[in-house]
Amino acid sequence: EAQVTQNPRYLITVTGKKLTVTCSQNMNHEYMSWYRQDPGLGLRQIYYSMNVEVTDKGDVPEGYKVSRKEKRNFPLILESPSPNQTSLYFCASSSPSSSGGKSSYEQYFGPGTRLTVT
Amino acid sequence: GNSVTQMEGPVTLSEEAFLTINCTYTATGYPSLFWYVQYPGEGLQLLLKATKADDKGSNKGFEATYRKETTSFHLEKGSVQVSDSAVYFCALRAGSYQLTFGKGTKLSVIP
Repeated sequence: EAQVTQNPRYLITVTGKKLTVTCSQNMNHEYMSWYRQDPGLGLRQIYYSMNVEVTDKGDVPEGYKVSRKEKRNFPLILESPSPNQTSLYFCASSSPSSSGGKSSYEQYFGPGTRLTVT
Repeated sequence: GNSVTQMEGPVTLSEEAFLTINCTYTATGYPSLFWYVQYPGEGLQLLLKATKADDKGSNKGFEATYRKETTSFHLEKGSVQVSDSAVYFCALRAGSYQLTFGKGTKLSVIP
């Protein structure tokens, strides 16, 4: 089954304790991305990757790191988490899919990771 | 820059009522437009899409028409069900892969 998986699904941690949220996709997609979802703010992009070893900042990259050593994996790293990083995090992946002669680049989302930093 | 504006929620409707969720956009060029749905406790999934002007996307009884003249992509459904209760996001893609999302509209359908 084509899917994007994230682990863990739920995490409660303390300020300053490094953590990693894993993301993996089995669709051989080139593009992967991390978003955070906050009430009243919708989804905001943290980082994205166009391919292996190619990553770039999104709209809210401060306090986060990513790596893309393999095509299927795109972990999100919080070196020193703070309470303002309490949020719902989504990983997504994409490749072109043609529709009427124009590629739509549909994004597939993981189930989300709810992070609480105390 | 690109932006998406969708109607503020929450929206509460009775079962079998007509649904409209407004979405307007600002973008350079000719974006592709999407509606994503997020059911409680789940990730986002694509509901429908349109890649050029006057295209109509449809799925599960939902429809949206890409209106370039009004820069809009309003979501409609003729008769909502309790199972349609979710958060709906309008989004655009202008360029390669990156999506710009609206803030989401929460829909609650009551029996």
